[in-house]
Amino acid sequence: AQKVTQAQTEISVVEKEDVTLDCVYETRDTTYYLFWYKQPPSGELVFLIRRNSFDEQNEISGRYSWNFQKSTSSFNFTITASQVVDSAVYFCALSEVDHTGGFKTIFGAGTRLFVKA
Amino acid sequence: DTEVTQTPKHLVMGMTNKKSLKCEQHMGHRAMYWYKQKAKKPPELMFVYSYEKLSINESVPSRFSPECPNSSLLNLHLHALQPEDSALYLCASSRNRERDEKLFFGSGTQLSVL
Repeated sequence: AQKVTQAQTEISVVEKEDVTLDCVYETRDTTYYLFWYKQPPSGELVFLIRRNSFDEQNEISGRYSWNFQKSTSSFNFTITASQVVDSAVYFCALSEVDHTGGFKTIFGAGTRLFVKA
Repeated sequence: DTEVTQTPKHLVMGMTNKKSLKCEQHMGHRAMYWYKQKAKKPPELMFVYSYEKLSINESVPSRFSPECPNSSLLNLHLHALQPEDSALYLCASSRNRERDEKLFFGSGTQLSVL
């Protein structure tokens, strides 16, 4: 079965520190997609990034960067120079085929990030 | 318009009440989802609609009844709920149910069952 593990339950940092959120996944598929979502206190999950299994290039978007390593089945997320507005729960996710032939999203347990001023 | 709108934002109901949660999107998405999220847990999939047909029911109790009247609307009818059903109910949509599709979420309905 597919599985996404986010071992860090909560992380607390001081503003301007860098922070890395870990994600390890298990899948038998050779083609798969990984995602990161952010859930601020307002409640809605917001899509951050999608990565397919054939593209191991790291990606940077402003203060956010993602490191995908197929060899270790990891898709880690780093926030550089964290800000208070980064405080949220971050979910790593994997798409999984279901019994209808479509796909559904499997979420990790989430990492709650507190950024203190 | 890249929003998924959910109403109401908060709902308190007794165990004998009947209520409905509503979700709307105007992005032309053909897949819509209901998730249940307990505090400090990830979202759990409840139902999936694809092209207005129910594709997945994740063994959800019959006191939860989904409905998809058209491609933009998704309802969740609630009847005879239990206190343990108190949670944040999130609606989401995606263009379709392909492997690479990202989900667009509403801000949820915080439900309390007394």
